[in-house]
Order: sequence, then C-alpha cells, then structure tokens
Amino acid sequence: AQSVSQHNHHVILSEAASLELGCNYSYGGTVNLFWYVQYPGQHLQLLLKYFSGDPLVKGIKGFEAEFIKSKFSFNLRKPSVQWSDTAEYFCAVPNQGGKLIFGQGTELSVKP
Amino acid sequence: KAGVTQTPRYLIKTRGQQVTLSCSPISGHRSVSWYQQTPGQGLQFLFEYFSETQRNKGNFPGRFSGRQFSNSRSEMNVSTLELGDSALYLCASSLGTADNQPQHFGDGTRLSIL
Repeated sequence: AQSVSQHNHHVILSEAASLELGCNYSYGGTVNLFWYVQYPGQHLQLLLKYFSGDPLVKGIKGFEAEFIKSKFSFNLRKPSVQWSDTAEYFCAVPNQGGKLIFGQGTELSVKP
Repeated sequence: KAGVTQTPRYLIKTRGQQVTLSCSPISGHRSVSWYQQTPGQGLQFLFEYFSETQRNKGNFPGRFSGRQFSNSRSEMNVSTLELGDSALYLCASSLGTADNQPQHFGDGTRLSIL
C-alpha cells in the first residue's frame, strides 16, 4: 500500500536558520505531490504542489520543494525561516486508487 | 470567495449516539473529501465524493458513512459512537478529484465523545 513518511516529527530552529523537512513516498508510478501547512489555530492550506515538469517547485512564503524520482522524495526547504513559520507541515501523495495519503506531519517551532 | 464551511465547529456526544457533520464546499468545487485528524494517527482519509458518487473510501468501519448532494454539499454520519471517535473531522473540497487538484480545507468539526 502507498505510504508517506516524514522523518522529522518535531524540528526546532532559530530564526534565519535554514530548513529542510524530509518526505518519502512508496508509490513508484506517476505521482502528484503536495505540501500542506497548518498554522496554529488555522485550517490546513496548500503550500506547494508538483504535478509534472520542473522538479524544483516554488510555493508561498519562500518555500520550495524538490522532487527526486530516484529517491522517491519530495523534501521541503526554506533558506531562512521566520518565527511566523511555526506550524505543522504535512506531505501528501495520492495512492494508486486516488486517495490522498498524508504523512504524519512535522511540527516546526521557530525561536525568535 | 467563501471557503469551505463546516458545521458545527464543536460537538459533544456520548457513546452509542450518532452524529451528522456537514460540509459546504467552495462554490464550483465538485469533489469533497473527509479526513479524521488525531494526535496519534495524524490525518487519515475517510472518503471522497465526486458528483454525488463515492469515489474512494478509507479503512474505517461501516459506522462511518457519507453522502453528497446535487449542490456538492456533503454530510458525514457516524453511528454508534465510540470513545476512539473523538477527533477533529476535516472536510476538503477541490475542483476536480482529490488526486489531481489541490484541496481546500475547512476549519473542521471537533467531536468529543464522553
């Protein structure tokens, strides 16, 4: 069965530090890939998506992610985090049946 | 453009009761998906409806059911509630099917079972 793994459960960074959150999926076919973010007290919202084309995709608020097919990975990056990036981040991949499968989430805490 | 609206925001029920949650998608969106979010299990897919048809179903018991109306609004029903059903239930809508289009989430309904 399709699965999505996010290796980091809780990441703590200081402002201006660089961020990389890992995401690996198990499905080997054509995939669409998503990163969602949930800020404290707010609903889940789309951060960025990859459907095809350039494997380096840019999202909102300076985030980007790189799709590496050979590694089944779609890691999220940001060169310099801000306190306002404190949130929970979810990677999601549809499985073969079309169900959207979410990773367990990574809680990011940014210290001012 | 109004976002996804879920009602009610909070519910308290007791074991054995049943509950119905409602979701109004963004205007024009035909796909509605439901998820259960808990601290231990994270976000788990319940089901997806597209044009009034259930397109996908997650690994939940038959006590969990749903439907979608012709105006794309959706309801989710849970019967014979158990303590373990306490969770945040999220609804998401998208223009096309959930695997091909980004989903827009509502604020959720927090269900507590006593």
